[in-house]
Amino acid sequence: ESVLTQSPGSLSLSPGERATLYCRASQTVSRNYLAWYQQKPAQAPRLLIYGASSRATGIPDRFSGSGSGTDFTLTISRLEPEDFAVYYCQQYGSSSYTFGQGTKLEIK
Amino acid sequence: QVQLQESGPGLVKPSQTLSLTCTVSGGSVSPGDYYWSWIRQPPGKGLEWIGYIHYSGSTYYNPSLKSRLTISIDMSKNQFSLELNSVTAADTAVYYCAREQLYYFDYWGQGTLVTVSS
Repeated sequence: ESVLTQSPGSLSLSPGERATLYCRASQTVSRNYLAWYQQKPAQAPRLLIYGASSRATGIPDRFSGSGSGTDFTLTISRLEPEDFAVYYCQQYGSSSYTFGQGTKLEIK
Repeated sequence: QVQLQESGPGLVKPSQTLSLTCTVSGGSVSPGDYYWSWIRQPPGKGLEWIGYIHYSGSTYYNPSLKSRLTISIDMSKNQFSLELNSVTAADTAVYYCAREQLYYFDYWGQGTLVTVSS
C-alpha cells in the first residue's frame, strides 16, 4: 500500500501570495489515480483536482495540479481569503484508497 | 445534483456495532460507473478510507478494518450502509459517505459524528 506524505504540514501565507503544496508517494502512482481535496472546518472535503491535473467542476483556475510518478504538486496561484483550509492528496492503488495527512494553509 | 446524507446513532457503546446508512438523492446507486464509499475522520485528524460497494454487490474493504466491516447496498431505497462491529474508542470519528468515479470522490455527504463511549 502506497503511503502519501504531504509537505509542509502547515503553511502560513498572505492573500495574494502563491501557495505550493507537495504530495510524495512511497510507490509510483498513475497520474489518473491522484486527486486533491480542500476541507474547511466542519465541512466535508471538496474535490479540487483529479487525474493529477484536471480541475473539478466549478473549481477556479487559480488551482492547478501537476506531477507524476511519486511527486505531485498543488499550486494556488494567488490566494483568496476563502482558500485558507486543509488540503489532502489521495491516491488509488491495489483496489484501495489512501490519503495524505494534510497540509494546513493558514493566513499570515 | 447528486446529494448524499448519512444517518444513524451518534453514540455507540464499546464492543457494540456501529451502523450507518447513506441515502443518495438526485441520482441512482445503480449506474455501473460508480462505487459508493465510506470514509472516516477522527477528531482533529486526517481521512481514512473504510471501504466501497458497487451496485453489483462487489465490495472492497480497508484491510485494517476488514475483519469487523460489512458494507451493503439497497437499490430499492437508493441507499448503502455500513456496519462496523466490536467498536472501541478508536472508532470515534466523523463518518462520510461518498461517490467514487474513476478513482476520486466527487460527491460527499456532510458527515456524521459517531462517538464510542459507555
